[in-house]
Amino acid sequence: EAGVTQSPTHLIKTRGQQATLRCSPISGHTSVYWYQQALGLGLQFLLWYDEGEERNRGNFPPRFSGRQFPNYSSELNVNALELEDSALYLCASSSPTGVYEQYFGPGTRLTVT
Amino acid sequence: GDSVTQMEGPVTLSEEAFLTINCTYTATGYPSLFWYVQYPGEGLQLLLKATKADDKGSNKGFEATYRKETTSFHLEKGSVQVSDSAVYFCALSESRNSGNTPLVFGKGTRLSVIA
Repeated sequence: EAGVTQSPTHLIKTRGQQATLRCSPISGHTSVYWYQQALGLGLQFLLWYDEGEERNRGNFPPRFSGRQFPNYSSELNVNALELEDSALYLCASSSPTGVYEQYFGPGTRLTVT
Repeated sequence: GDSVTQMEGPVTLSEEAFLTINCTYTATGYPSLFWYVQYPGEGLQLLLKATKADDKGSNKGFEATYRKETTSFHLEKGSVQVSDSAVYFCALSESRNSGNTPLVFGKGTRLSVIA
């Protein structure tokens, strides 16, 4: 069974530009979560999508947004990039049944210069 | 709100030593508890989980018991190996009708095992 996949692996952008990150969940999983892992700040929750709807968002400005597609894959968009947006962005998915543990992808490393 | 506190690292141990990483939590409901591990340059891997009081999660020689009375979920391993060197995260999540809430993580504990 394929795990959570994310693309691209690395992304380099300039301050002020927009970044788009993509995530494909494990087959059968309907929830997708996005987390930011910035140096020294630990893992911070960004966004939660389930069945195509945004269920919750963390304490991040509106320039962080996303969506979930009918096939449950998801996209994270970051507008007006700032230097402090440089981080590892992790996507996780969980099943609608069972214990609901979250499985993570390998992450996208975003560098803003 | 919910929170997780885990011991500060880094922790450096010799191979075959006993490992304990402390984790305590604060939650409004009855959360599920998890330990995740992150190897250098990689994403997070689920190491073990426990969903109710007195449950013991175990995997790859690691164990943790859900202690509701002390709100703790300490990670232990009897004999660590160099390959266990990684960052370990304690986390919790609560179940809702709409699915599991996002994970709340501790700050992570870096473990280095030397031969």
